[in-house]
Amino acid sequence: QLVLTQSPSASASLGASVKLTCTLSSGHSSYAIAWHQQQPEKGPRYLMKLNSDGSHIKGDGIPDRFSGSSSGAERYLTISSLQSEDEADYYCQTWGTDFWLFGGGTKLTVL
Amino acid sequence: EVQLLESGGGLVQPGGSLRLSCAASGFTFSSYAMSWVRQAPGKGLEWVSVVSNSGDYTYYADSVKGRFTISRDNSKNTLYLQMNSLRAEDTAVYYCATSTQWEQFDYWGQGTLVTVSS
Repeated sequence: QLVLTQSPSASASLGASVKLTCTLSSGHSSYAIAWHQQQPEKGPRYLMKLNSDGSHIKGDGIPDRFSGSSSGAERYLTISSLQSEDEADYYCQTWGTDFWLFGGGTKLTVL
Repeated sequence: EVQLLESGGGLVQPGGSLRLSCAASGFTFSSYAMSWVRQAPGKGLEWVSVVSNSGDYTYYADSVKGRFTISRDNSKNTLYLQMNSLRAEDTAVYYCATSTQWEQFDYWGQGTLVTVSS
């Protein structure tokens, strides 16, 4: 069964970098995912599609501070030069022929 | 600029019905698959349903199968979600989203709140 696992929380200091992880369940390491950001009291925002080889395509207007990478079943979102507005929930998402699936989300706190 | 504007949410009693709408603009609506995604209070995102760009194909999460119906009117650039036999656990903010190439959700609306309570 396909499952996406994310740590519930993460924190990093203003101006620093942080790397968030999304782990695909066993046997599903070839799946691409997408990363979405949800700021408090707002709708989600698409950040990027991330392939298993680490290549990624970002959404409209997404700053260069946001990047993605992959290693095996792990998919990463790295945010550099953290800003206060980066404090948000971050969700990974994947898909199949007839289903779409989200991870549980990571709440990022900018200290 | 892509805009998705949901409407139709509100308070409904258990067992009742509600129809959500999503008005789209800023892109060629008829070229994109569209989905509904919901978020219960304080919880994560849950995919609900998808409809192909032509409307010919629809899929549903097991949690809503047989109770919800997704549809679209490409002449009106509008997506719909008919929700019947509503339960307390359907209480959530409902978002519409575009789905490029049947994969990731590219653009999201701001959501409409559905509350199922007596």
